[in-house]
Amino acid sequence: GAGVSQSPSNKVTEKGKDVELRCDPISGHTALYWYRQSLGQGLEFLIYFQGNSAPDKSGLPSDRFSAERTGGSVSTLTIQRTQQEDSAVYLCASSLASGGANEQFFGPGTRLTVL
Amino acid sequence: QQQVKQSPQSLIVQKGGISIINCAYENTAFDYFPWYQQFPGKGPALLIAIRPDVSEKKEGRFTISFNKSAKQFSLHIMDSQPGDSATYFCAAQDSGTYKYIFGTGTRLKVLA
Repeated sequence: GAGVSQSPSNKVTEKGKDVELRCDPISGHTALYWYRQSLGQGLEFLIYFQGNSAPDKSGLPSDRFSAERTGGSVSTLTIQRTQQEDSAVYLCASSLASGGANEQFFGPGTRLTVL
Repeated sequence: QQQVKQSPQSLIVQKGGISIINCAYENTAFDYFPWYQQFPGKGPALLIAIRPDVSEKKEGRFTISFNKSAKQFSLHIMDSQPGDSATYFCAAQDSGTYKYIFGTGTRLKVLA
């Protein structure tokens, strides 16, 4: 079956603009995670969903970041008033469930560049 | 306490050699420890994972060693191949919050 897909693959925007990043998880996966990976760095946890609920939003860097998930499937990460420090690769992963050592499957990421 | 410390930052190994990457943690709520392999331009992919109730897990050329008392775990790649050249991340999942905390990564280069 299809893996996790993300769109767009690349996004170049101007400082101050809003951007939306999309994640399509593997069908049937109830858990969905968003991470940020800066150049040469590890993965920084942003938020995760179990179904449509986000039990832990503590990783969101500021109130300019928000995410939602509808229908237990597609998720959108929105960054308002983008700043240059938001430039990074944004990765999405899904798993069958959030606990119990369920394997995360990652998408290819969206590379965001803020000019 | 939420950190996972990974070393070394980079590693160069001859073909056929053993690659060893180490990680350490402090949070005793971590109960699942996966290792991921990432190639340039791709998302990470699960390589091998371990729970703290076992001290070692082996899958092919890849072995995780886990020391619960020391709160350390390591990845051993036996008979390293040029195709293993990638960035490797350790991670730990919190049993209460289900969050994953990742190490900072190790860039492995295996020389032919």
